[in-house]
Amino acid sequence: LAKTTQPPSMEAYEGQEVNVSCSHTNIATSEYIYWYRQVPHQGPQFIIQGYKDYVVNEVASLFISADRKLSTLSLPWVSLRDAAVYYCIVTLSGGNYKPTFGKGTSLVVHP
Amino acid sequence: DPKIIQKPKYLVAVTGSEKILICEQYLGHNAMYWYRQSAKKPLEFMFSYSYQKLMDNQTASSRFQPQSSKKNHLDLQITALKPDDSATYFCASSQDWEGADTQYFGPGTRLLVL
Repeated sequence: LAKTTQPPSMEAYEGQEVNVSCSHTNIATSEYIYWYRQVPHQGPQFIIQGYKDYVVNEVASLFISADRKLSTLSLPWVSLRDAAVYYCIVTLSGGNYKPTFGKGTSLVVHP
Repeated sequence: DPKIIQKPKYLVAVTGSEKILICEQYLGHNAMYWYRQSAKKPLEFMFSYSYQKLMDNQTASSRFQPQSSKKNHLDLQITALKPDDSATYFCASSQDWEGADTQYFGPGTRLLVL
């Protein structure tokens, strides 16, 4: 299964757009890309998933490069509540979903 | 109202003892899961259940035994506790096992083994 690489930390100010990158150079054709976030003392929360191109929902957008080796999670207009650890996961979908969480990207948001 | 309840929130145990972590979900989901997150390791997938049947076990130790008395319950029994078992244990659920990639997590039980 593909391994992911993310920056360990990022900082932003409230109101800024934040882009969190994730490298998955060994992603298989059958694997999907998922993003979760986790705030302290809570379980992870699903943000978005995608296979290729561009996906958007009410919380975030996800851009996936044409070769699928790089994905970027975009958070528009971050607030203090967006401060969390963001995890990029690459795995099979559905019943074969076996997430491997890495260390993630710790996002610090300044007022 | 919380949709996934985990009890207790905090748990302190002595080495060698046995504890049961409780998980109940009120989302009407058919699949449930257990994860573990310790200070030393990232979040680890442990078990998956579908309609009260074990679908996947990623835990090497038999000291960890899930127990499902109802479709919306998946407890985790841990025997012969060790200090290395200290971690936060998260329960999660999804509508179906086939849709396992859309999981909702509970608030966790923080276990400390002395």
